[in-house]
Amino acid sequence: GESVGLHLPTLSVQEGDNSIINCAYSNSASDYFIWYKQESGKGPQFIIDIRSNMDKRQGQRVTVLLNKTVKHLSLQIAATQPGDSAVYFCAENIQGAQKLVFGQGTRLTINP
Amino acid sequence: KAGVTQTPRYLIKTRGQQVTLSCSPISGHRSVSWYQQTPGQGLQFLFEYFSETQRNKGNFPGRFSGRQFSNSRSEMNVSTLELGDSALYLCASSLEGGRSNQPQHFGDGTRLSIL
Repeated sequence: GESVGLHLPTLSVQEGDNSIINCAYSNSASDYFIWYKQESGKGPQFIIDIRSNMDKRQGQRVTVLLNKTVKHLSLQIAATQPGDSAVYFCAENIQGAQKLVFGQGTRLTINP
Repeated sequence: KAGVTQTPRYLIKTRGQQVTLSCSPISGHRSVSWYQQTPGQGLQFLFEYFSETQRNKGNFPGRFSGRQFSNSRSEMNVSTLELGDSALYLCASSLEGGRSNQPQHFGDGTRLSIL
């Protein structure tokens, strides 16, 4: 989950379709994961979190899936809307420390 | 409930100067963390404070420092500024942090530009 590089992966979806954003994390000791949404000129906004003892968690229009075997996290957004356009970051929290390690982010763009 | 407040929103400094950024956490939150965001490195952890004590520190030089006050408000200071310090500095707060695994909530950051 270390942030790398200049170029953000981009995901373009049609309005109304479902979006799936993927993230690989690096530390087996991470026990808590968070998805954030960052709009231009703003700080990251909390979307949903999941603890390592869970595989799936649902919120309003969002679902997070955690696969600890392959250290993979995904965010599913149902019925994507124009307001969902943003950069999405996954973050892992190292067990016992309040220290988030962020992924590089994915830019989600919505086509009308 | 007010969110995390960071001041100032924008700051322009020159090389060699120092700067102090301020963060007021969400009311009741006792853990405050700072992050640096740049296009090249993304979001990088600087340090975390809880009960006026630094609990965790990232891999940044000693020019970067911080403190937390008894009301949980926090400041970070960068001395001898370098061009590479140009970034968005983000503050995040959570109830307690550590083993309790609670979400961090971010402010909108201070955009620091070094000329």
